[in-house]
Amino acid sequence: QQQVRQSPQSLTVWEGETAILNCSYENSAFDYFPWYQQFPGEGPALLISILSVSDKKEDGRFTIFFNKREKKLSLHIADSQPGDSATYFCAASEGTGGYKVVFGSGTRLLVSP
Amino acid sequence: EAAVTQSPRNKVAVTGGKVTLSCNQTNNHNNMYWYRQDTGHGLRLIHYSYGAGSTEKGDIPDGYKASRPSQENFSLILELATPSQTSVYFCASGDARDEQYFGPGTRLTVL
Repeated sequence: QQQVRQSPQSLTVWEGETAILNCSYENSAFDYFPWYQQFPGEGPALLISILSVSDKKEDGRFTIFFNKREKKLSLHIADSQPGDSATYFCAASEGTGGYKVVFGSGTRLLVSP
Repeated sequence: EAAVTQSPRNKVAVTGGKVTLSCNQTNNHNNMYWYRQDTGHGLRLIHYSYGAGSTEKGDIPDGYKASRPSQENFSLILELATPSQTSVYFCASGDARDEQYFGPGTRLTVL
């Protein structure tokens, strides 16, 4: 049973387009949602995160949209660049439980020049 | 800057053998984590620790043990390695859920 689901599994966009990565979750107790970026051969690194009290979080070209009622969120990457090609993991955690984080299966993004 | 190192980076083991994966962090973080990454499954938590001397089971602990002898070091132990444990293993550290700092990973192949 996967608590955090991501779609699509892979995505290809042209340079300059907006890439949209989707995530959904089941546990209503989740209140913190980080997105991690992973390049081949490296460990994941935190990209951007949002708390459930917010419906939007921006950081440069990266924006999270959050819908608590539908238990869905999405990561928008504006003006995609070839250097954004990586795997993106949506994750979730709840306030209790010792800071355990549940990861989705990831979306592999390819930005073509 | 956060620094998490793992050793070895690559390991080939035989079925039934003992494997120890090591992780070291220089951030003085209380929490440390071991994950495995497999295609289609993302990152799955094996064991974690709140501090020296403590270990907790994660979501997939069967076949694995963990040891946290100090604040800096956290090991993952496969007493009897099996081919199903072939994977990439990541160690991470963090003081709060806000961010986990990951190491570069260890690629383990069990033949």
